Amino acid sequence: QVTLRESGPALVKPTQTLTLTCTFSGFSLSTSGMCVSWIRQPPGKALEWLARIDWDDDKYYSTSLKTRLTISKDTSKNQVVLTMTNMDPVDTATYYCARDYDSEPFDYWGQGTLVTVSS
Amino acid sequence: QSALTQPASVSGSPGQSITISCTGTSSDVGSYNLVSWYQQHPGKAPKLMIYEVSKRPSGVSNRFSGSKSGNTASLTISGLQAEDEADYYCCSYAGSSLWVFGGGTKLTVL
Repeated sequence: QVTLRESGPALVKPTQTLTLTCTFSGFSLSTSGMCVSWIRQPPGKALEWLARIDWDDDKYYSTSLKTRLTISKDTSKNQVVLTMTNMDPVDTATYYCARDYDSEPFDYWGQGTLVTVSS
Repeated sequence: QSALTQPASVSGSPGQSITISCTGTSSDVGSYNLVSWYQQHPGKAPKLMIYEVSKRPSGVSNRFSGSKSGNTASLTISGLQAEDEADYYCCSYAGSSLWVFGGGTKLTVL
């Protein structure tokens, strides 16, 4: 079955770079049409789409955050990595990775990982 | 890529029907039949309920339905049940492989 799991630090300091890893199983990111996105949710607030990487290594970023984000994949390890630079307390959120395949966007989600930005 | 507009809250009694609206622009909701809806219970990850405006993934109850008119999409839940109480988010393709979510709606089952 399809599963995704996010991992990374629970606490980062302001100005630091955050690195999150999404490890998945049950599908291959080398399959045509397969994509993985990162989505975040500040406590008590709405979802925000951040970035996506496609099976052919095309990458897309939120317009407002693209200068701070980098997404990459390691197909052999079934992992997608997101880095976000210059972290700020407003970036405190639960970060999710989600699969996007064919016409069903974000059909499977990880459980999310809470990242707190504080000195 | 501005957030889509949803009502902050809606409520209904068991057995009733409710509708949640999701208003975008001609650059997102109005241009593409790629609106999806997600249900999120407290402390849980979102769950896909509707995609491509009105399609239901396998396993989702047919009490959930979606529609779109112009720049506004809607999610209707019929025969409300206590388990439907959750937050609901709409999402639309916004062109150039970008996606935008709505602000979320808290559904209370009275």
